[in-house]
Amino acid sequence: DAGVIQSPRHEVTEMGQEVTLRCKPISGHDYLFWYRQTMMRGLELLIYFNNNVPIDDSGMPEDRFSAKMPNASFSTLKIQPSEPRDSAVYFCASSLDETQYFGPGTRLLVL
Amino acid sequence: GNSVTQMEGPVTLSEEAFLTINCTYTATGYPSLFWYVQYPGEGLQLLLKATKADDKGSNKGFEATYRKETTSFHLEKGSVQVSDSAVYFCALSSNTGKLIFGQGTTLQVKP
Repeated sequence: DAGVIQSPRHEVTEMGQEVTLRCKPISGHDYLFWYRQTMMRGLELLIYFNNNVPIDDSGMPEDRFSAKMPNASFSTLKIQPSEPRDSAVYFCASSLDETQYFGPGTRLLVL
Repeated sequence: GNSVTQMEGPVTLSEEAFLTINCTYTATGYPSLFWYVQYPGEGLQLLLKATKADDKGSNKGFEATYRKETTSFHLEKGSVQVSDSAVYFCALSSNTGKLIFGQGTTLQVKP
């Protein structure tokens, strides 16, 4: 199995630009999670889906952030417009039972 | 609500020293307990898990025992190596499909 796939692995953008992060979960997994990790705030759960339906988006920092899961094999996290404080590593994870499997992350730098 | 508390880091040890990273939890019901490890520049990886009281999870020389009476799941290793340097996260399952993570403990092993 290829594991959770995230793209891009690195993203450098300028403030105000739209950023789209992509995730392909492990085939057959029915939960998908988006996390953000920074030195200041640690690991934060942003949103998660079950069977493509958003279950809890209370961790999404503000309206500039949105996430979609149009089918079982693809999800996006979009930031529009981006700000320097959005710089972080964004992880996607998927699970079938309780165990979550993480992708390698997308390192986002907003200048 | 459910929560996980880990010992503050960083933990600095010499190679071949004994490792303990403390983890205590607060939960309703009978959650599963996990240790994840994050090596520099990578995503989190499952290290071990235990699903019920008195279970011992083990992997790569690491062990942790699910102690219901003390609500603890301390991570131990008898002899650490430089390659064990990483951030270690304790987590518990919730009944909503997501994991509750501790804040992470950084381990640095010096040769």
